[in-house]
Amino acid sequence: DGGITQSPKYLFRKEGQNVTLSCEQNLNHDAMYWYRQDPGQGLRLIYYSHIVNDFQKGDIAEGYSVSREKKESFPLTVTSAQKNPTAFYLCASSIEGRAGGTTSTDTQYFGPGTRLTVL
Amino acid sequence: SQELEQSPQSLIVQEGKNLTINCTSSKTLYGLYWYKQKYGEGLIFLMMLQKGGEEKSHEKITAKLDEKKQQSSLHITASQPSHAGIYLCGAPSGGAQKLVFGQGTRLTINP
Repeated sequence: DGGITQSPKYLFRKEGQNVTLSCEQNLNHDAMYWYRQDPGQGLRLIYYSHIVNDFQKGDIAEGYSVSREKKESFPLTVTSAQKNPTAFYLCASSIEGRAGGTTSTDTQYFGPGTRLTVL
Repeated sequence: SQELEQSPQSLIVQEGKNLTINCTSSKTLYGLYWYKQKYGEGLIFLMMLQKGGEEKSHEKITAKLDEKKQQSSLHITASQPSHAGIYLCGAPSGGAQKLVFGQGTRLTINP
């Protein structure tokens, strides 16, 4: 079955720790995204990548880091610099992220999410 | 920057009733996505609208984009318990390389 997997489903972090959230897709999609969702709010973009070895900051990148060494994988590290990391984290992918000034975009498909709690 | 406002924020309806959720944009929409989310789970893609006046249906859910491309509505006919969840609208923003989302509408279906 093709899809997007995220692990772990639940993650607990102590103050001052870095943690890494996994996101893997076998859809052969070029673009991948990380969003954060807080209660009663929509999704906010953390980082995105349209191609291997390249990624850009989203709206709330401070305190987070990513890598894109393989097409299938886009791990997100929540560093100790992120002051309020408790949230639901969602990974998404799309066939490609339209660029070049176009105003359309490809449908993004989402993983099941990881709930991160700071103790 | 583009902002999406959804209304209502929450909705409780009796099973079998019809309902409508709205998504209003601060700027012209060049695409509008509707997703559904069960609590604690990922988003499931429902439909995408792109042209002014466009309407799409899937089973008992119909989505429309107005002619001016600044508002979309999601209509559910004869609601069922399986329709319960959070509905989110999203739209391309910032050069089309990302989506911005509304805050979501939480739908509860009472038997």
